[in-house]
Amino acid sequence: GAGVSQSPRYKVAKRGQDVALRCDPISGHVSLFWYQQALGQGPEFLTYFQNEAQLDKSGLPSDRFFAERPEGSVSTLKIQRTQQEDSAVYLCASSAGQLSTDTQYFGPGTRLTVL
Amino acid sequence: QQQVKQSPQSLIVQKGGISIINCAYENTAFDYFPWYQQFPGKGPALLIAIRPDVSEKKEGRFTISFNKSAKQFSLHIMDSQPGDSATYFCAASKVSGGGADGLTFGKGTHLIIQP
Repeated sequence: GAGVSQSPRYKVAKRGQDVALRCDPISGHVSLFWYQQALGQGPEFLTYFQNEAQLDKSGLPSDRFFAERPEGSVSTLKIQRTQQEDSAVYLCASSAGQLSTDTQYFGPGTRLTVL
Repeated sequence: QQQVKQSPQSLIVQKGGISIINCAYENTAFDYFPWYQQFPGKGPALLIAIRPDVSEKKEGRFTISFNKSAKQFSLHIMDSQPGDSATYFCAASKVSGGGADGLTFGKGTHLIIQP
């Protein structure tokens, strides 16, 4: 079956532009996570959805970052007024249940470069 | 504050040898410890995971050793193969009743298996 897909795979933005990154989780998965992975670093948690409810947004670095999952499936991570420090790979993961021990399946990520 | 510290940063092992990667955590609330494998251009994929009620878990050539009192855990890859060459991340999360917890990752170990 299909895994987690993300689009676009690559995005180049000029500083100050807004960007929207899309995540299509595995069908039927309840939980959805967003992570930010800087070059040569481990992923860092941004936010967590259980169905359409955003239960944890403690990792979002600023109010320029906004995520939504309005129908409990596809999710969008939006970054407003992009800055150079936003350059990173943005990873989406989904899991079947709502437990921390449920396996998180990661997508290939969107590489964002802010010039 | 880095909550999960991983070492070494890079590791070269001969084919057939044992690869050992170590992690230490600070947050005593963590009680789920997965290891992820990541190939270039791909998202991380779960390799093996452990809860602190056991000191060791083995799946095929991969073993996690867990020391709760020392707040340390390690990944052992037996009979290392060139196909194991990848970046490995340890991670940790809390298991609570209020939905899943985002993973806290280490910085990663770049493993190269020489043929």
